[in-house]
Amino acid sequence: DAKTTQPTSMDCAEGRAANLPCNHSTISGNEYVYWYRQIHSQGPQYIIHGLKNNETNEMASLIITEDRKSSTLILPHATLRDTAVYYCIVRADYKLSFGAGTTVTVRA
Amino acid sequence: EAGVAQSPRYKIIEKRQSVAFWCNPISGHATLYWYQQILGQGPKLLIQFQNNGVVDDSQLPKDRFSAERLKGVDSTLKIQPAKLEDSAVYLCASSRGQGPIGYTFGSGTRLTVV
Repeated sequence: DAKTTQPTSMDCAEGRAANLPCNHSTISGNEYVYWYRQIHSQGPQYIIHGLKNNETNEMASLIITEDRKSSTLILPHATLRDTAVYYCIVRADYKLSFGAGTTVTVRA
Repeated sequence: EAGVAQSPRYKIIEKRQSVAFWCNPISGHATLYWYQQILGQGPKLLIQFQNNGVVDDSQLPKDRFSAERLKGVDSTLKIQPAKLEDSAVYLCASSRGQGPIGYTFGSGTRLTVV
């Protein structure tokens, strides 16, 4: 599996965009980038995934660099309910392996 | 659609006792996963089922953990006998199939072994 590196924690202001970076310099050509988040006392929640192209859905946008060695998850207008641990996962198959993630705290 | 249901929500047992967790996946989801999440860590995959067959149980401590998925729907995960280090949240997830698609997780069962 490609190793991912995420900051341990980050703060962001309510109403502003939150940009969460993830480095995956050893990613292989057939590996997807997944993002999940886990709100306290809940199971992880799927956010978005992508292979090469940038992706957007109702929750977030995923920007993958052209060389695919890093990506950024963008929460366009962070709310207090977006406070959670965010996991960046790189896999070619269905076996998602979760690291420690980034603890994101949205402040009023 | 209804989410992944798990029960019980919390369980406290003494070491060497046995315990079982139940999971009901989203209707129509063929693939079911059990994860273990120790406090402060990300979830770790224990076992994966495709319908009622085991696809991957390489991370399951088979001397004490067992799991089954009868009729390809509900699943149970059992620990017998429990150890202190089994204290964790046990998460069940399901997906329509294999491949690069998202999972839906349940809220988990928090197990405390004393």
